[in-house]
Amino acid sequence: EVQLVESGGGLVQPGRSLRLSCTASGFTFGDYAMSWFRQAPGKGLEWVGFIRSKAYGGTTEYAASVKGRFTISRDDSKSIAYLQMNSLKTEDTAVYYCTREGGVIKNDAFDIWGQGTMVTVSS
Amino acid sequence: QSVLTQPPSVSGAPGQRVTISCTGSSSNIGAGYDVHWYQQLPGTAPKLLIYGNSNRPSGVPDRFSGSKSGTSASLAITGLQAEDEADYYCQSYDSSLSVFGGGTKLTVL
Repeated sequence: EVQLVESGGGLVQPGRSLRLSCTASGFTFGDYAMSWFRQAPGKGLEWVGFIRSKAYGGTTEYAASVKGRFTISRDDSKSIAYLQMNSLKTEDTAVYYCTREGGVIKNDAFDIWGQGTMVTVSS
Repeated sequence: QSVLTQPPSVSGAPGQRVTISCTGSSSNIGAGYDVHWYQQLPGTAPKLLIYGNSNRPSGVPDRFSGSKSGTSASLAITGLQAEDEADYYCQSYDSSLSVFGGGTKLTVL
């Protein structure tokens, strides 16, 4: 079964750091770009950033709201994508989702989503 | 403020047809980028509903259809069912980065 499972969420104080993990199974992880999204309580979806596959350089892009604070990386040998979040702010409080970009077959739509992990930034 | 504009809510009775619009601009939808649609049932993660403007992933009923024209796109749901009550999001690209609509809450009366 194709699956993404996020972990690492929790309660953290403003200014501190947190690292989320996204463990993939059921597909060749290294072949796909991976993205992170978030959804603040009662709000819509916000794209956070993504990392290309190694075949496309493994480079990253970020939303303006997190650029310079968040870093996405990947370990293809373990089929894990990471979201390192530094200098957290209260407005970063959200459910964070990991997704797979479905490639050419799916016109690069986000075809697989994890169940999400809650991050609460509060003192 | 979302880059793509969706109505906050739509409603319809069981069996009816509803449409959800997604309006962009010349830098995103109008630039030729694909539009994708996602369904988020209450308390769950989003799920891909329509990709590449009008394609359904396997398992998505043909009651759901998508279209795109100019700087806008639409999601149509026919034969409305209670289980369709959810939030729906459109997604496209702007300068090659993903952008979303603010979401539309569908209420089945």
